[in-house]
Amino acid sequence: GQQLNQSPQSMFIQEGEDVSMNCTSSSIFNTWLWYKQDPGEGPVLLIALYKAGELTSNGRLTAQFGITRKDSFLNISASIPSDVGIYFCAGRVTGTASKLTFGTGTRLQVTL
Amino acid sequence: NAGVTQTPKFQVLKTGQSMTLQCAQDMNHEYMSWYRQDPGMGLRLIHYSVGAGITDQGEVPNGYNVSRSTTEDFPLRLLSAAPSQTSVYFCASSYSSLSAGASGGYTFGSGTRLTVV
Repeated sequence: GQQLNQSPQSMFIQEGEDVSMNCTSSSIFNTWLWYKQDPGEGPVLLIALYKAGELTSNGRLTAQFGITRKDSFLNISASIPSDVGIYFCAGRVTGTASKLTFGTGTRLQVTL
Repeated sequence: NAGVTQTPKFQVLKTGQSMTLQCAQDMNHEYMSWYRQDPGMGLRLIHYSVGAGITDQGEVPNGYNVSRSTTEDFPLRLLSAAPSQTSVYFCASSYSSLSAGASGGYTFGSGTRLTVV
């Protein structure tokens, strides 16, 4: 089955730094979603994107739906310790709206 | 609080045993899904349902059964547990369309950590 390629796999950054991660696919998606997972919990939706080229923000988080519809990007500005966790991208295709395809995740660790 | 409730949170099974992981949601979501999460592999879809009485296979359905007799409940059955089924299992639910107020994203439960020995 298809999984989305996420990079980087992990990153260590200092508090206050900006973070960028991306997700690529060989297939087109009509919806891109970004989730965050804290240890011992299920993923929580951060941002949803519905149109190619769309740029959407949620506080310090900004995500973009790639023009080709095969990629998406997530940026976190001025990172803080509570940003620690695993970030997943997920794609959804029209006609199969009941199914999400997930990326392999980016593990973020923030040091003081 | 509204959301997706999974039970149990932890379970240890012996090889060959069967069990049912429970999932319930109180948001009147049409769609429900089961995923398994393994290290380095993200989340993989096991089975999903688009409404009561309708289920279908996902990416990794072998060894699992599901049924959807009500909108609220979507149990996952392990027929004969194997060590390869050691994983964290997540149930999730969603509205069927991008209606007003719906993000289109799934709401996840907090997971069941299953170990098969």
